[in-house]
Amino acid sequence: RKEVEQDPGPFNVPEGATVAFNCTYSNSASQSFFWYRQDCRKEPKLLMSVYSSGNEDGRFTAQLNRASQYISLLIRDSKLSDSATYLCVVGDTGRRALTFGSGTRLQVQP
Amino acid sequence: EAGVTQFPSHSVIEKGQTVTLRCDPISGHDNLYWYRRVMGKEIKFLLHFVKESKQDESGMPNNRFLAERTGGTYSTLKVQPAELEDSGVYFCASSQEGGYHYEQYFGPGTRLTVT
Repeated sequence: RKEVEQDPGPFNVPEGATVAFNCTYSNSASQSFFWYRQDCRKEPKLLMSVYSSGNEDGRFTAQLNRASQYISLLIRDSKLSDSATYLCVVGDTGRRALTFGSGTRLQVQP
Repeated sequence: EAGVTQFPSHSVIEKGQTVTLRCDPISGHDNLYWYRRVMGKEIKFLLHFVKESKQDESGMPNNRFLAERTGGTYSTLKVQPAELEDSGVYFCASSQEGGYHYEQYFGPGTRLTVT
């Protein structure tokens, strides 16, 4: 079983749609949670950290459920520029090493 | 502010040769990390420096890989001798000391092809 599991997609949605990605992690000691986006053949770029109480940044909302070891990302009013691979990333207690999921690909269509 | 930079962007070498990758972190970031993505797999952690000290090298695949960060500024990752399975994209990241989440910022990567 992978440490961080994501649905690989692709998710094909029209502009303006709302789309949600889910992620589960296996290590209950994990303490830090992030969503990164990665464009084709580029580096991962930090989209947002995920806090226990959930957090929002413009059109993006992240939620964390520690009991279920589940993280989600909601994108509202999708733009063409949101097309990318979204990586769920987890950090453990006491270590800075990040564990990456394999990513969920999003394609927003006009 | 300049981001993380890596050199070279691409490298093609033959099996058995040596390659050295370089990473310059964001100025003032004491923490520097190396990660690798091999074809079809997730990005995997290799090691973590705090200034010039190796804090965690649990992800280094074997002793053909040597990472250094002399002076606590830029870092090099040397692969000697390179094997076919070393092909992939090598990312460097850096983060500040302090803060709750130690958010890591990635460089553009070095695409290594071993033939």
